[in-house]
Amino acid sequence: QKEVEQNSGPLSVPEGAIASLNCTYSDRVSQSFFWYRQYSGKSPELIMSIYSNGDKEDGRFTAQLNKASQYVSLLIRDSQPSDSATYLCAVNPYNFNKFYFGSGTKLNVKP
Amino acid sequence: KAGVTQTPRYLIKTRGQQVTLSCSPISGHRSVSWYQQTPGQGLQFLFEYFSETQRNKGNFPGRFSGRQFSNSRSEMNVSTLELGDSALYLCASTGQANTGELFFGEGSRLTVL
Repeated sequence: QKEVEQNSGPLSVPEGAIASLNCTYSDRVSQSFFWYRQYSGKSPELIMSIYSNGDKEDGRFTAQLNKASQYVSLLIRDSQPSDSATYLCAVNPYNFNKFYFGSGTKLNVKP
Repeated sequence: KAGVTQTPRYLIKTRGQQVTLSCSPISGHRSVSWYQQTPGQGLQFLFEYFSETQRNKGNFPGRFSGRQFSNSRSEMNVSTLELGDSALYLCASTGQANTGELFFGEGSRLTVL
């Protein structure tokens, strides 16, 4: 079993819709959770971090964490074609800088 | 503030050769991590250095090694290259000792022929 699991997609949504990206992790002791966005041919860039159960909102992005279910999600409201990218879920189980990444979900926002 | 700088950006090697990749972290960042990214395996952790000490290591063979200098710059070395080592090697720095958010460089794309 991989430490972090994501659907590879592609996930296609129309412009203006809500995109919902999901991630599950295996290590119950995990404390820190991150969403990175990676455009084709580019390196990953951090878009959200979340450490506590519940929702965290930043502009059009909302991260949701449920530690009991070992589940992290990312909602993108009012999706734009510029949001088309691969979204990587990352977990830092032991609070050392050793991150486990999911394989990524490719999002395609259609104009 | 300059970002994470990796050199070289692209390189081609043949099997059996060795390669050294360099990474300069964001000024003030003391933690440098290395990741390998391939289409099949995704992003995999290689190792992390903090204050010139390797703190964490991933599940890679001993052919993969690294080091960090007193100015926080880091190098990684891969010896006896194999075809499967073809990948994008990403360096990331963080300003936090733990739980830090990773700031990635543009990567070094290695092709092994």
